[in-house]
Amino acid sequence: GQQLNQSPQSMFIQEGEDVSMNCTSSSIFNTWLWYKQDPGEGPVLLIALYKAGELTSNGRLTAQFGITRKDSFLNISASIPSDVGIYFCAGRPGGGADGLTFGKGTHLIIQP
Amino acid sequence: DADVTQTPRNRITKTGKRIMLECSQTKGHDRMYWYRQDPGLGLRLIYYSFDVKDINKGEISDGYSVSRQAQAKFSLSLESAIPNQTALYFCAVRSAGRNADTGELFFGEGSRLTVL
Repeated sequence: GQQLNQSPQSMFIQEGEDVSMNCTSSSIFNTWLWYKQDPGEGPVLLIALYKAGELTSNGRLTAQFGITRKDSFLNISASIPSDVGIYFCAGRPGGGADGLTFGKGTHLIIQP
Repeated sequence: DADVTQTPRNRITKTGKRIMLECSQTKGHDRMYWYRQDPGLGLRLIYYSFDVKDINKGEISDGYSVSRQAQAKFSLSLESAIPNQTALYFCAVRSAGRNADTGELFFGEGSRLTVL
């Protein structure tokens, strides 16, 4: 099946630093989504991208849908303690296929 | 907020036992999904359903079965649980309709299953 390569696997940063993570795929996706999972909870949608080249912001978060439709990145500016968690990218292919393919996640840890 | 409820939230069982995880939703979404999460592996699709009585296999359906007897309910069964089915299981929902299908999934809070 389709696979998404998400990197980095984990990040150890200081509060206030900017964060960047990305996902790449060997195949094309028509939708890219970024989710965050807090401990003990299900993933929650952060940003959804629907067009190649689209750049979308949600507060301190910015995500882009790559022009080739095979990649996406998520940036978090000025990180705060509540940003800790696991971030997942997810892609939905076109052609009537259903379900989302998820990356393996980026574990964000903020050091005091 | 899709109001997705999963039961039980935690379950410990023994190898060979039959286990059922329940999922219910209150917002009338037509599509329902079961995912499995393992550390370092992300979320993998087990089964999904577009409507009542409609069942489709996902990436890792072996060892699992599902039932969609009502639009609001989608249950996942392990007929004979084995230790490598120890994982966090998530139910998710979304809607597909005349307007643009955004592909967004809304997740429940998860069911942690441990098979000894």
